[in-house]
Amino acid sequence: DAGVIQSPRHEVTEMGQEVTLRCKLISGHNSLFWYRQTMMRGLELLIYFNNNVPIDDSGMPEDRFSAKMPNASFSTLKIQPSEPRDSAVYFCASSQGSGGFTDTQYFGPGTRLTVL
Amino acid sequence: DAKTTQPPSMDCAEGRAANLPCNHSTISGNEYVYWYRQIHSQGPQYIIHGLKNNETNEMASLIITEDRKSSTLILPHATLRDTAVYYCIKLNDYKLSFGAGTTVTVRA
Repeated sequence: DAGVIQSPRHEVTEMGQEVTLRCKLISGHNSLFWYRQTMMRGLELLIYFNNNVPIDDSGMPEDRFSAKMPNASFSTLKIQPSEPRDSAVYFCASSQGSGGFTDTQYFGPGTRLTVL
Repeated sequence: DAKTTQPPSMDCAEGRAANLPCNHSTISGNEYVYWYRQIHSQGPQYIIHGLKNNETNEMASLIITEDRKSSTLILPHATLRDTAVYYCIKLNDYKLSFGAGTTVTVRA
C-alpha cells in the first residue's frame, strides 16, 4: 500500500519566490493535516482539512501561507513570498474519519524547504 | 493544555526490551495516548495508541496505569533500527501536540 506521498522531497529557493508543496493522501482517507518541524519549535500543526473543507487553520503563520484541497486525494501548501524563516521540514499526514480521538494520522516523508 | 513528560534520552542494548515511560497526569477521560517515533530524516511513524486498557501490536506494547496518569511503551526486542525519537502524545480531538520526546539509542 502506498503511504502519504509528498513532493518535492527537497526544495531550495530564494527569498521572495513562491513555493508549492504537494501531498497525496492515502486512498480512502478523508482528513488531511499539514505540519511544520523546526529545531526551535518542534512539530506544529498548520492546518487541518476534513472532506476537503478547512476545519482549523489557526496554526498557519500568516497570510503568506495558503493551503488547498482541489480534490479529495490531493493538497497543496503554498508560501508566497517565501522568507528565510520559513525554512523547515513540512509534513502532511492523513487519517480516515473525522479527525477524532481514534483516527490515527499517518505521515508522509516530508519536504525539506530551504529559503536562502 | 499541558503536554506529556518524557525523559530526554535513554540507551538500550540491542536485543533487550526498551521501556519508555511517559507522564500524562493531566489527561482527560476521553483523550487517547498515542505513541509515534521519528527516525532521523523521516516522517513520524505511528506505533500504538490506547485509552485505558493495555495494548499490543506487532511493533510494541503499551501499558497504561489504572489512573491513566502515566504509561510505558515497551519495545520487546530492540534493534539498531529502533534508534529514534519517541513521542508520547495525548490526542486532543484531532491535534497531535508533539513535545520533545525521548531520544532512544540502541547500542550493539
